[in-house]
Amino acid sequence: QQPVQSPQAVILREGEDAVINCSSSKALYSVHWYRQKHGEAPVFLMILLKGGEQKGHDKISASFNEKKQQSSLYLTASQLSYSGTYFCGTDEYGNKLVFGAGTILRVKS
Amino acid sequence: KAGVTQTPRYLIKTRGQQVTLSCSPISGHRSVSWYQQTPGQGLQFLFEYFSETQRNKGNFPGRFSGRQFSNSRSEMNVSTLELGDSALYLCASSLSDQDYGYTFGSGTRLTVV
Repeated sequence: QQPVQSPQAVILREGEDAVINCSSSKALYSVHWYRQKHGEAPVFLMILLKGGEQKGHDKISASFNEKKQQSSLYLTASQLSYSGTYFCGTDEYGNKLVFGAGTILRVKS
Repeated sequence: KAGVTQTPRYLIKTRGQQVTLSCSPISGHRSVSWYQQTPGQGLQFLFEYFSETQRNKGNFPGRFSGRQFSNSRSEMNVSTLELGDSALYLCASSLSDQDYGYTFGSGTRLTVV
């Protein structure tokens, strides 16, 4: 079942912060976050595992609430390069990553 | 190190034809997943392979099939193409089946006319 992302889109000015949320109705093994720029492949940002382990980009932070099956991606001091579509992916089994509809982020100068 | 390689990059086919897409994962990556990406439906999971075994599949008709070889390279096949199959097909590889992020290839853009 597809996770639900919010907001659908957000516009920021450089230096502002943003939070993107992802929720699932299923018990999850892991949550992934990816960024895709127009015409490019999605790029891995972070994985959050059941039990609290996190792996990923050291300038990106995220949280995973296992009880609520919710994750949030925190983008601080945004830069123009942060623009793109952010996808969360949720995995119940460890071998079926299902993506949300995406959040379009635009950073303006 | 080399990334995930998908071939061909672009493909134009006629309705009713079949097509085979190829994916070479990063060396050492044993898990390969396939996705269909369209503007309206986003990233849709097709199937996942690990050590030549399909371990999970998405909600696509049987016209969509795949396989993985002993060197971890994977192919997906779509038979009896329909206009609605026009999409970007992405494959992603991972170091193992769990606990690691995916590295995506640049995709194959399939257009069915």
